[in-house]
Amino acid sequence: DGGITQSPKYLFRKEGQNVTLSCEQNLNHDAMYWYRQDPGQGLRLIYYSQIVNDFQKGDIAEGYSVSREKKESFPLTVTSAQKNPTAFYLCATLGRVNSNQPQHFGDGTRLSIL
Amino acid sequence: AQSVAQPEDQVNVAEGNPLTVKCTYSVSGNPYLFWYVQYPNRGLQFLLKYITGDNLVKGSYGFEAEFNKSQTSFHLKKPSALVSDSALYFCAVSRGGNFNKFYFGSGTKLNVKP
Repeated sequence: DGGITQSPKYLFRKEGQNVTLSCEQNLNHDAMYWYRQDPGQGLRLIYYSQIVNDFQKGDIAEGYSVSREKKESFPLTVTSAQKNPTAFYLCATLGRVNSNQPQHFGDGTRLSIL
Repeated sequence: AQSVAQPEDQVNVAEGNPLTVKCTYSVSGNPYLFWYVQYPNRGLQFLLKYITGDNLVKGSYGFEAEFNKSQTSFHLKKPSALVSDSALYFCAVSRGGNFNKFYFGSGTKLNVKP
């Protein structure tokens, strides 16, 4: 989706290192989400944010942190506390929080351990 | 507990034949239903949604889906499959409201053989 940019496309993490995944959107959407995708498990929600300077934990938040200082940006940090970080990470947005619209997705970041 | 089930990990169909990818859900209230498609190393692309009204909804690339309230199902269909339809398909359900949490199935890999 051209309106959501995730970077980098591939990322490698060393033992004990924190890494940050970028998600930027120019859709003027209110809500932003981070998902983790593992083979055969669908998408699992890590964190979400409905408004600037506010965010909530999803189903698998342990070992991750986020910030939402600007409407356009929702970076995800994978900390050293996340012992199994290898996965495909997807950022999504939603125009309005209580709408019936679909989410829009970026093209993902694939994180691997060195 | 809210859940979405895609009972088939993989569906194989010959080009030109009809295809069906199954989805059932267990979500309270009147949920919104979505289908997405994912190509390798890409994000999810929206195909179609059911909000209310006609039980048969039409979407992108000739896909349609049939909503069945009594069976809590939302199966994806296409009358004539193309090789280019080969991809991973996700069913998703949203309850709307103040926080639009989306529940995703585990995905079904569609293989269309020439």
